[in-house]
Amino acid sequence: GNSVTQMEGPVTLSEEAFLTINCTYTATGYPSLFWYVQYPGEGLQLLLKATKADDKGSNKGFEATYRKETTSFHLEKGSVQVSDSAVYFCALSTPYNFNKFYFGSGTKLNVKP
Amino acid sequence: GAVVSQHPSWVICKSGTSVKIECRSLDFQATTMFWYRQFPKQSLMLMATSNEGSKATYEQGVEKDKFLINHASLTLSTLTVTSAHPEDSSFYICSASITGDSNQPQHFGDGTRLSIL
Repeated sequence: GNSVTQMEGPVTLSEEAFLTINCTYTATGYPSLFWYVQYPGEGLQLLLKATKADDKGSNKGFEATYRKETTSFHLEKGSVQVSDSAVYFCALSTPYNFNKFYFGSGTKLNVKP
Repeated sequence: GAVVSQHPSWVICKSGTSVKIECRSLDFQATTMFWYRQFPKQSLMLMATSNEGSKATYEQGVEKDKFLINHASLTLSTLTVTSAHPEDSSFYICSASITGDSNQPQHFGDGTRLSIL
């Protein structure tokens, strides 16, 4: 079946620290992979995506590379800011079942000044 | 582009009433919309997949008579929580896809916080 596993949070970092949030997946076929961010009381916003192996998604200083050999899509940022504090969700989508998404459990990031 | 509007953002009502939540795609047509439920500090639980002009597909364990979904047009899907009770209190989020292409992201509304007294 399809599933996404994320590292448990919360992750607490100081401003300008390096961020890694691990995400691994299990999927049938060739999934597309996504990172979404959720700020308190809001819906989810797409952060970045990758649709095939070795693709790198990037946005707002965040990056993630689609690694088929390790079935991973780890999120990284070189220097986090207080404004990056949010919950981050890794997700996958397959060409089956009406583009149904499978989400990880979410990782809360707290960035302290 | 690709904005999804959800309304209302917050609703408080008495036990036993029915509540309707709207999900609109403002600048694109969405053949498929999804409804999720999110409990505090937890991930999103997919409730159902809503397809324009046809019946929704519900996930296992979701009561279709309790959570009525209607997708009457390419820009609007509604979720009605019928005879709501306190255990139905939650954060409900909708999303929409521009096409059925799995390479395309889902676009999310800002969610509706439902509180049943």
